[in-house]
Amino acid sequence: KQEVTQIPAALSVPEGENLVLNCSFTDSAIYNLQWFRQDPGKGLTSLLLIQSSQREQTSGRLNASLDKSSGRSTLYIAASQPGDSATYLCAVTRIKAAGNKLTFGGGTRVLVKP
Amino acid sequence: DAGITQSPRHKVTETGTPVTLRCHQTENHRYMYWYRQDPGHGLRLIHYSYGVKDTDKGEVSDGYSVSRSKTEDFLLTLESATSSQTSVYFCAISEAKTGLFTEAFFGQGTRLTVV
Repeated sequence: KQEVTQIPAALSVPEGENLVLNCSFTDSAIYNLQWFRQDPGKGLTSLLLIQSSQREQTSGRLNASLDKSSGRSTLYIAASQPGDSATYLCAVTRIKAAGNKLTFGGGTRVLVKP
Repeated sequence: DAGITQSPRHKVTETGTPVTLRCHQTENHRYMYWYRQDPGHGLRLIHYSYGVKDTDKGEVSDGYSVSRSKTEDFLLTLESATSSQTSVYFCAISEAKTGLFTEAFFGQGTRLTVV
């Protein structure tokens, strides 16, 4: 059974510092990995999707890397802002699964202090 | 934002009553999903659909049923609501293009309280 872990569960950084969020998964045979952001009481917003054949994806201040062999992905957020405060979730899809069924990590709650 | 609408957004119901949650999409995506989110358990898949009338169970399907009679609508039914089904329910959609799945998009959620 695929298990996804995100450590730490919470972190606080001063504004302007780079954020590094970790995601690990137990089964390296994944189809893709997706990072989401969730604001309190809201739905999930997709940030980045990395296909299994890719090593990284970038969007603006966000960069996500994927190392399947070690079962890890890292989300980097450059020059953090108070508006980046949210919970960040990673999710993986198992290879050969019927449909893009996601297995989620528990999330990292981020607070960026002004 | 992806065109996903969940209804109702909030509902309080009594134990033992049936409840139906609706997910409506305007993206014409083939795949639709129902997840629940609970403190300490994160997001877990309840049921999903890979086409009209094609559905399958997820990780936590007991006590739930689904139906998909049209591409745009995916219904989640709690046949007889229990307090353990108090949760936030999310609908998601996805598509497959050139053999690869696109990113999954989520609705705003339905907060269900069973008293």
